[in-house]
Amino acid sequence: EVQLVESGGGLVQPGGSLRLSCAASAITFSSHAMSWVRQAPGKGLEWVSAIDGDGGTTYYAGSVKGRFTISRDNSKNTLYLQMNTLRAEDTATYYCAKDSNRWYGLTPIDFWGQGTRVTVSS
Amino acid sequence: QLVLTQSPSASASLGASVKLTCTLSNGHSSYAIAWHQQLPEKSPRYLMRINSDGSHKKGDGVPDRFSGSSSGAERYLSISSLQSEDEADYYCQTWGTGERIFGGGTKLTV
Repeated sequence: EVQLVESGGGLVQPGGSLRLSCAASAITFSSHAMSWVRQAPGKGLEWVSAIDGDGGTTYYAGSVKGRFTISRDNSKNTLYLQMNTLRAEDTATYYCAKDSNRWYGLTPIDFWGQGTRVTVSS
Repeated sequence: QLVLTQSPSASASLGASVKLTCTLSNGHSSYAIAWHQQLPEKSPRYLMRINSDGSHKKGDGVPDRFSGSSSGAERYLSISSLQSEDEADYYCQTWGTGERIFGGGTKLTV
């Protein structure tokens, strides 16, 4: 059974940093582009960032570019999101999600993790 | 700029059918979309992708009651024999090498 398990969320002060992780199982991890998608409380889904299966190319939403860094360790089947200079508007549940294709942009998200909550507040 | 437009809410009775719509912005009527279901307090679940010709491919375990279709710039998610567990938020999504776009979501009340 495919699983994507996020961790690393929590409460952080504005301007602080946090690193999210997503551990994948029951998939050939390197065969899938991966994304982070967030959902602010009571709001819709917002794509944040993505990375190709080989980790060679990364993609970012304008709202996080320069502050967030996506990466992956295919030997550990793990996806990461380093979040720096956090703002109140980054408060959301962050979901890890996979594409069916190795390369970002060719197929839609076809599986979601359960999410990890990030709260940015003083 | 690509925008996906969804009605904020829809309602239908138990056992009835409902058709949710996702409208692609001008100039993007050839795009495929995907539908995702989010039950209350749960993470989203991929339902299906729908191509511009109306062909669609469902995710694993998605009931036959769920189907997709297309007309022009509109992409549809149809649910028949509505059950209480179908009450959820439904999001459409496109994909490409730029930013991934989601519609605002439709809250379905059964």
